[in-house]
Amino acid sequence: NAGVTQTPKFQVLKTGQSMTLQCAQDMNHNSMYWYRQDPGMGLRLIYYSASEGTTDKGEVPNGYNVSRLNKREFSLRLESAAPSQTSVYFCASASVQGIQLSNEQFFGPGTRLTVL
Amino acid sequence: AQSVAQPEDQVNVAEGNPLTVKCTYSVSGNPYLFWYVQYPNRGLQFLLKYITGDNLVKGSYGFEAEFNKSQTSFHLKKPSALVSDSALYFCAVGRSGGGADGLTFGKGTHLIIQP
Repeated sequence: NAGVTQTPKFQVLKTGQSMTLQCAQDMNHNSMYWYRQDPGMGLRLIYYSASEGTTDKGEVPNGYNVSRLNKREFSLRLESAAPSQTSVYFCASASVQGIQLSNEQFFGPGTRLTVL
Repeated sequence: AQSVAQPEDQVNVAEGNPLTVKCTYSVSGNPYLFWYVQYPNRGLQFLLKYITGDNLVKGSYGFEAEFNKSQTSFHLKKPSALVSDSALYFCAVGRSGGGADGLTFGKGTHLIIQP
């Protein structure tokens, strides 16, 4: 049982390049989330997917797109990377019933992204 | 809009002493509250949560937290600190209602336990 996995672990991009961050969970959770962590700012929600086939914006969605590929996988895409997107990105998953979390969110190990 | 405040950037405690990491929140309706811990270059690990029930919540590694509705606080506590407790601690609240649409996090508190 791997929990939440993320690839890659590290990535360096040049301004304007694109890339996709991958996330997968094996806990049969229906909801998945992307956060970014910046020093002194905690974690901020980028996008989330309440269930397979749905996605919604979070607090800081600009410059990002997401795809909920199936129940297990939720990817985050940067179409044209900017230095402001240098951050650590965390994927999380949770079991949800209606509008309520059934339990806590489970987090992946993170992807450290640097945009030059 | 919901918000979480962790008023201390850093808390220093001597090993063996009790520790408290403070958290206050603002949310409409009943809060779903969480504490997570992050060790260097790692993801977040769940410590404990308050959804409903007893105001004193017990969690992993001997941590506990007290939900105080009148003071809108959810402080993290441990009776006797260990050096291995040194880490970054985050308080979080469900963005709306039950948190299915994600969590709002505080800025984090660095806990340093001195031998």
